[in-house]
Amino acid sequence: EPEVTQTPSHQVTQMGQEVILRCVPISNHLYFYWYRQILGQKVEFLVSFYNNEISEKSEIFDDQFSVERPDGSNFTLKIRSTKLEDSAMYFCASILRTSSYNEQFFGPGTRLTVL
Amino acid sequence: KNQVEQSPQSLIILEGKNCTLQCNYTVSPFSNLRWYKQDTGRGPVSLTIMTFSENTKSNGRYTATLDADTKQSSLHITASQLSDSASYICVVTAYGQNFVFGPGTRLSVLP
Repeated sequence: EPEVTQTPSHQVTQMGQEVILRCVPISNHLYFYWYRQILGQKVEFLVSFYNNEISEKSEIFDDQFSVERPDGSNFTLKIRSTKLEDSAMYFCASILRTSSYNEQFFGPGTRLTVL
Repeated sequence: KNQVEQSPQSLIILEGKNCTLQCNYTVSPFSNLRWYKQDTGRGPVSLTIMTFSENTKSNGRYTATLDADTKQSSLHITASQLSDSASYICVVTAYGQNFVFGPGTRLSVLP
């Protein structure tokens, strides 16, 4: 069964460094999301992406964040200058649109630790 | 403001017992409601999805109900197993909007 994959599974970085989190969505899906989940807290929406551009972003998704789909398969989230509070699990989701609802498939997540 | 609340925050039950988790929402206009299971350190996995016209849906030992009038949903787990220990997240979608996540209920099943 097709699945969403994410790499790396765990990223440790120093504060102020840039990180790139990678996601490979399910191949025939067209809508992609990034979410963040701080330890012990709920999943928070970051950004949605469709047709090679951002369709919606949350207040969390400030100028430090960017997304792109560089090669038609990978979907990346870049954090330009990481802060301690960026430490969280980051989930990519791949959306299959149906006539009734959007079936959303999550990747396994990347745990980002900022020191 | 679109919000999803869940109760209880956490729950401990013995293996083999049943339990029911609650979800209340204020999301409007309502499109669909889903329940996800999230194992620790993993991504959420969909259990059920219900639209406005559906008031119950089952997936094995999981049965979700939806009352669109009172804006409430429940997830009933039958004959719990140790592998059911996880967080259960209620997610509601409004038409033309993104998913609104609840805070989850942390379920622990003890032997």
